[in-house]
Amino acid sequence: AQSVAQPEDQVNVAEGNPLTVKCTYSVSGNPYLFWYVQYPNRGLQFLLKYITGDNLVKGSYGFEAEFNKSQTSFHLKKPSALVSDSALYFCAVRDEGTYKYIFGTGTRLKVLA
Amino acid sequence: DVKVTQSSRYLVKRTGEKVFLECVQDMDHENMFWYRQDPGLGLRLIYFSYDVKMKEKGDIPEGYSVSREKKERFSLILESASTNQTSMYLCASSSPGTGADTQYFGPGTRLTVL
Repeated sequence: AQSVAQPEDQVNVAEGNPLTVKCTYSVSGNPYLFWYVQYPNRGLQFLLKYITGDNLVKGSYGFEAEFNKSQTSFHLKKPSALVSDSALYFCAVRDEGTYKYIFGTGTRLKVLA
Repeated sequence: DVKVTQSSRYLVKRTGEKVFLECVQDMDHENMFWYRQDPGLGLRLIYFSYDVKMKEKGDIPEGYSVSREKKERFSLILESASTNQTSMYLCASSSPGTGADTQYFGPGTRLTVL
C-alpha cells in the first residue's frame, strides 16, 4: 500500500537561512513524487515533481527536492528562506500503477523575519 | 494556465440537507478528483473519475456520491449532510500525459454543516 509521511507538523526557520521540509514514502512500484504548497484559504499549488532521472528536481519559487531511493525520501529544500514562503506544504506520491495520489498530513513552514 | 473552479468558496448547510459541490476545469483533463482536507489529516480522497460517467471510490466515500456527465464538470453530492462532513473540499484535475500527471487544484469550498 502507498503511504507518505511528513514527520514534522511545523518547521520554523529564520529568513535567509536554508530550509528543509521532510517527506518519506512507501510504494510498491516506481514512485511519482510531488510537492504542493497551500497559502491561507487557497487551493494547493504545484511546486515540483519527480518522475525519473536526475535525483535533484528544481521547481517554482527557488524550491528544489532531492529524491533518495535508498532512504525512500523526497525532502523539499530552499537555500535561502523568505517570509513569503510561510505556508502549508504537502508531499504526495503516486504509484505508477494507479490513479490514486496519497498526500502527507502537511508541514506548516514559518519563516521568521 | 489550467483553471479549476469550484462553485462556492463558503457554504453553510443544515444537517440532513442534500448538498451539491460543483467543480469545472477548462483544460480538457480526463481525470478529476474530490478530496477533503482536515487539520492533521492532510488530504483524503473521496472519489475520482478517469472519464465521463466513470467513477472510482477513494479512501472515504461513505456519505458521498459523485456525478460526471460532462468531461469538464465533476460534482460531489452529500446525500444527507452531517456535522462530521464539515470540512474543506478540494477538487483537482489532471491528464495522464507522460504518466506522472500533475494535479491542478481549485480554490476549495469550506463547508459548514450545522
